[in-house]
Parts: sequence; structure tokens; C-alpha cells
Amino acid sequence: GENVEQHPSTLSVQEGDSAVIKCTYSDSASNYFPWYKQELGKRPQLIIDIRSNVGEKKDQRIAVTLNKTAKHFSLHITETQPEDSAVYFCAARAYTGTASKLTFGTGTRLQVTL
Amino acid sequence: DAGVTQSPTHLIKTRGQQVTLRCSPKSGHDTVSWYQQALGQGPQFIFQYYEEEERQRGNFPDRFSGHQFPNYSSELNVNALLLGDSALYLCASSLEVAAGVSYEQYFGPGTRLTVT
Repeated sequence: GENVEQHPSTLSVQEGDSAVIKCTYSDSASNYFPWYKQELGKRPQLIIDIRSNVGEKKDQRIAVTLNKTAKHFSLHITETQPEDSAVYFCAARAYTGTASKLTFGTGTRLQVTL
Repeated sequence: DAGVTQSPTHLIKTRGQQVTLRCSPKSGHDTVSWYQQALGQGPQFIFQYYEEEERQRGNFPDRFSGHQFPNYSSELNVNALLLGDSALYLCASSLEVAAGVSYEQYFGPGTRLTVT
């Protein structure tokens, strides 16, 4: 089955700096890659996603890049703000012919310091 | 905005007991997936329901079962609870855009289950 590895597990950046989180996946059939932000005690929130027919997608300060050949994808947050502090999860979805399920990475705790 | 809702918010059970968790999907969504999130971990896929049938299952024992109703809401049942079942149980809904294909999954707030 699919395996998703995520690095780093913790990341501390100063306000205004950029943050990059990287994930690799194992199943070449995976074709959809969402990113979720989870604040303490709250639900995971979808912040951006990318499909396998696209190499990059941007939404304001957030961007995601995908390298299908290397089977890795990354989340880039620019001009970080304290409210960006949270745990971020990457995920990969493979279509099995009858259904599709998300496999999540282990999460990155991002702390943005003043 | 009728987002994903779950009940109850918190639950405390004793080993060996049974529990039922409930989920109402986001308005317009027809597919419900259930996940278990242990402390400090990413969500782990339990199973997915579409058209009232379990369509795919993760690596969870048969003690975990579910149901989807005609209005797309869903239940997760866990029998013979173990201490290791303590976790946050998340429900996510999505819309099937083609056979077996759905994209954006939106999560509910979760049910925090504690087994003592």
C-alpha cells in the first residue's frame, strides 16, 4: 500500500521567513496530493491541493510543488505569520479502481516566532 | 455553511464496551470516510462509505464497523473496546465526481474517545 514520509517533524522559523515541508510517496498510482493544517484541538483544514497533471499550484502565500518522477511534493509558505503556527500534514491519494483513500504523513509542527 | 458535523464531542468508555460515533457530511457531499488519529500522529484511514456501502477499508480489525444512511450521514461502531482505541476519530466527507473518484475531503471536528 501507499506510504507517505514527511520531513521535518518540527520546524521553527522567524516571522517573515519562508517555511518548506517535504513529503515523499511510494505508490506511483497516486494522483492527488492535499495539504492540511491542524491547530491544537481542532479539525484538519484543507489549505491547498495539487493533482498529478500539474507541477505547481499557488494560493497567496502558500504554494505546492509536485515532482512525479521523484515521487515527492512540497509545501512552501512565504512571509510566515504567527497564525501559521500549527501541525501540517501532507497526504497522497491513489485510486484503486473502486475507491480512493488518503494516506497521511506523520505531520510537521511549524512554529513561527516573533 | 453546513459543514461536517460529528457527535458526540467527547466520550469515555470502559474496556470491552461498545461505542457508536455519528457524522453528518457537508451539504452536497455523498461520500464519508472515517479516520483514527492517535496523539501526535497523522489520521489513519479506517473505511469509506458511498451509496450506503463500505467501499474500501484500511488496516483495522472487524471490531470496527460502520453504516451509511440514505441521507449520507454515517456511523462508526467499535466493539470490544481496547485501551489502544483511545484516539480522535475524524469523519471526512467528499463528493464523488466519477466512479470511485473524489477529491477535496473536508473533516469534521472529531470525537475524542477515551477508553479506561
